[in-house]
Amino acid sequence: ETGVTQSPTHLIKTRGQQVTLRCSSQSGHNTVSWYQQALGQGPQFIFQYYREEENGRGNFPPRFSGLQFPNYSSELNVNALELDDSALYLCASSSPGPKRGYTFGSGTRLTVV
Amino acid sequence: ELKVEQNPLFLSMQEGKNYTIYCNYSTTSDRLYWYRQDPGKSLESLFVLLSNGAVKQEGRLMASLDTKARLSTLHITAAVHDLSATYFCAVDRIQGAQKLVFGQGTRLTINP
Repeated sequence: ETGVTQSPTHLIKTRGQQVTLRCSSQSGHNTVSWYQQALGQGPQFIFQYYREEENGRGNFPPRFSGLQFPNYSSELNVNALELDDSALYLCASSSPGPKRGYTFGSGTRLTVV
Repeated sequence: ELKVEQNPLFLSMQEGKNYTIYCNYSTTSDRLYWYRQDPGKSLESLFVLLSNGAVKQEGRLMASLDTKARLSTLHITAAVHDLSATYFCAVDRIQGAQKLVFGQGTRLTINP
């Protein structure tokens, strides 16, 4: 059973730039969620993808967007980066239903300077 | 809006002592998760509590869930330094998107 893999592990970008983060889901999981964790805080839900469509969104602006591919892997794109976007970005894969569970990836640490 | 609150937010304790972290949530849910996070690392799943009265134990950690009181506790018995970490509780909300709503975290430091 493969876990959730995120890439890259660390990234430094300049304010105004765009960034793409990647996530592979765990085998058997068809749902991917993205979370932003600012330093010293709990993770905040960004959005979720299920069967290649966005299936819910948290309180994040449209410059945060995503994709899910047929193999259930996913991308998180952030445009026009701001300093406050500096955070740990976590991807979690899951499967719906009563036996649902979440598997988190190791995260991508994004620093915006 | 579902809210999850933990207390305390910071906890410094000595090895060998017992303590409890509390997690309150604002709306009905019957599934609660506890995670551990080491500095700079991702979330490690500790417990999933599925129903009222559920109790789970792993080593020196024990978690319980009271859905009527909307309260979960994480009890630490005879703490050891290796348990130093930040602990998060999260509630599973399945209305619309299947998502976790996290508490603020409890930063636990265990001193020799």
